[in-house]
Amino acid sequence: QSVLTQPPSVSAAPGQKVTISCSGNTSNIGNNFVSWYQQLPGTAPKLLIYENNKRPSGIPDRFSGSKSGTSATLGITGLQTGDEADYYCGTWDSSPTVVFGGGTKLTVL
Amino acid sequence: QLQLQESGPGLVKPSETLSLTCSVSGGSISSSFYYWGWIRQPPGKGLEWIGSIYYSGNTYYNASLKSRVTISLDTSKNQFSLRLSSVTAADTAIYYCARHLRLVSTPLDHWGQGALVTVSS
Repeated sequence: QSVLTQPPSVSAAPGQKVTISCSGNTSNIGNNFVSWYQQLPGTAPKLLIYENNKRPSGIPDRFSGSKSGTSATLGITGLQTGDEADYYCGTWDSSPTVVFGGGTKLTVL
Repeated sequence: QLQLQESGPGLVKPSETLSLTCSVSGGSISSSFYYWGWIRQPPGKGLEWIGSIYYSGNTYYNASLKSRVTISLDTSKNQFSLRLSSVTAADTAIYYCARHLRLVSTPLDHWGQGALVTVSS
């Protein structure tokens, strides 16, 4: 059971938009920045979004993040088949510990 | 270009100690800017943070693993290591080393490729 809650899977057609939610509480998301990671099949996770909505160098602006209260959302526009991956949200928890969501599998139909 | 590479035995017997090393190139683990961490992922499952260490030796550990985990630094070799004692089949996972963007509370922006460790007799 992960500390942060994500939907197990989402799907959309190429070119469409998809959103992935991440829910926590006041000890984690509510008082800390949220980051998002993309894990392509058979590879290590890659930082996609940090500090709720910032993109590291090289990440296209098709990827966006937002946060409201104790929830965060990852948005992907102009879906491509190469976006098929597992996506994880992560943040700091006051326990203190790094926490992740259970992951969401994105299928581009 | 910062690169991290995990190394260590791929098979460990139950009740023994898992030991992995992360070799860092293109950057110094002695930098006061960054924390360095270990994360694992059981086959087909999600990510679990194990713990992180600062250049000073200060460590943070996942409370659920704290009694069995030790993370240490070898600045002379620009490496940091993970030891996990009394392993069981539940510790079978891909183990990743990574660098935090800054403090331990910040995201992990550089990852190693991962090392699969199987616990089996």
